[in-house]
Amino acid sequence: DSGVTQTPKHLITATGQRVTLRCSPRSGDLSVYWYQQSLDQGLQFLIQYYNGEERAKGNILERFSAQQFPDLHSELNLSSLELGDSALYFCASSSTAGYSPLHFGNGTRLTVT
Amino acid sequence: DQQVKQNSPSLSVQEGRISILNCDYTNSMFDYFLWYKKYPAEGPTFLISISSIKDKNEDGRFTVFLNKSAKHLSLHIVPSQPGDSAVYFCAASSLTGTASKLTFGTGTRLQVTL
Repeated sequence: DSGVTQTPKHLITATGQRVTLRCSPRSGDLSVYWYQQSLDQGLQFLIQYYNGEERAKGNILERFSAQQFPDLHSELNLSSLELGDSALYFCASSSTAGYSPLHFGNGTRLTVT
Repeated sequence: DQQVKQNSPSLSVQEGRISILNCDYTNSMFDYFLWYKKYPAEGPTFLISISSIKDKNEDGRFTVFLNKSAKHLSLHIVPSQPGDSAVYFCAASSLTGTASKLTFGTGTRLQVTL
């Protein structure tokens, strides 16, 4: 158990809809990362937050947004969903914003129909 | 642009033998490298890391080797066990200011056979 909690585990929704994925980092970790894994692909970095502030951005679509709250949990919002957004979305946390291993949750599997 | 490449999608090794997983990178700014293991329906689990100031790091049955001139790293598992069967991801990072992000390869599926 990594200590990172993601909810929900599975999500099925229709095109055009909006969903929110939630992540609680490990106790004491200030940094949260979001990754997307599409079928047979590696993990693509979306965005990083550190203690409530955005620190790094990857190939995150404009339809996607994220935030980290004062209690350090994070939410990833996906809107105007398309079939191609179907993927596994992982959250990870680490104790620093710099070099330290990331600890991943078990992911949310999003299916857009 | 795939900055971290794992060219072998799969590898099969007999129990007790050595497993060698390879990874190449193109970005010379990367200076911290990690290996993750992933079982189905679970998130990736951190295995071992190495910084660019070293060329080898060992942790039990797992050793990571880094060849900076070749921009290549490898993970050795000795001896391989059936429980090692999983997908292994190589990842690389560079520090930009106070932020870092991991760039992952596409993974190598390791099967350890009896």
